[in-house]
Amino acid sequence: NAGVTQTPKFRVLKTGQSMTLLCAQDMNHEYMYWYRQDPGMGLRLIHYSVGEGTTAKGEVPDGYNVSRLKKQNFLLGLESAAPSQTSVYFCASNLGGGVGLNEQYFGPGTRLTVT
Amino acid sequence: AQSVSQHNHHVILSEAASLELGCNYSYGGTVNLFWYVQYPGQHLQLLLKYFSGDPLVKGIKGFEAEFIKSKFSFNLRKPSVQWSDTAEYFCAVNSGDYKLSFGAGTTVTVRA
Repeated sequence: NAGVTQTPKFRVLKTGQSMTLLCAQDMNHEYMYWYRQDPGMGLRLIHYSVGEGTTAKGEVPDGYNVSRLKKQNFLLGLESAAPSQTSVYFCASNLGGGVGLNEQYFGPGTRLTVT
Repeated sequence: AQSVSQHNHHVILSEAASLELGCNYSYGGTVNLFWYVQYPGQHLQLLLKYFSGDPLVKGIKGFEAEFIKSKFSFNLRKPSVQWSDTAEYFCAVNSGDYKLSFGAGTTVTVRA
């Protein structure tokens, strides 16, 4: 049982390049989330999904897109990377059925630098 | 939108000192409250959570937190810290939807 995994762990992009971050969970969780973590700002929600085939915008969705084609995977895409997207990205999952009743499990993070 | 405030940005302590980290939230209705910890280089892990019942909640590693509804607060405490408690601590609040709102975090440095 690997929990929540993320690939890649590190990435350096040039401005304007695109990339996709992959999150996978093996806990059969319904809900999945993408956060970014920046110094002094805590975790901010980018997008989330409450089930396969569904996605919704979070607090800071601009410049990102997501897809949840399979229940176990949640992809975060950057179509045209900007230096402001330099951050550490965390994926999380939750069993569902009322998020307050369940713990969110976090992945190890992806450190992205955009030059 | 829910907002979560953590009072201290960086706390420096000596081993065996007591720790208290403040957390206040803005939502006036029913909330579920969490404290997460992030050790250096690691992902976030749950320390403790409050959903209902006894407002004094005990978590892992000797941490506890007290929910005071009238003050919209959920402060984290540990009577005697260890060097291994050096980490970043995040308060998070759920107000019944699908999302958690996180505070900005408090970095705790424990000197041996």
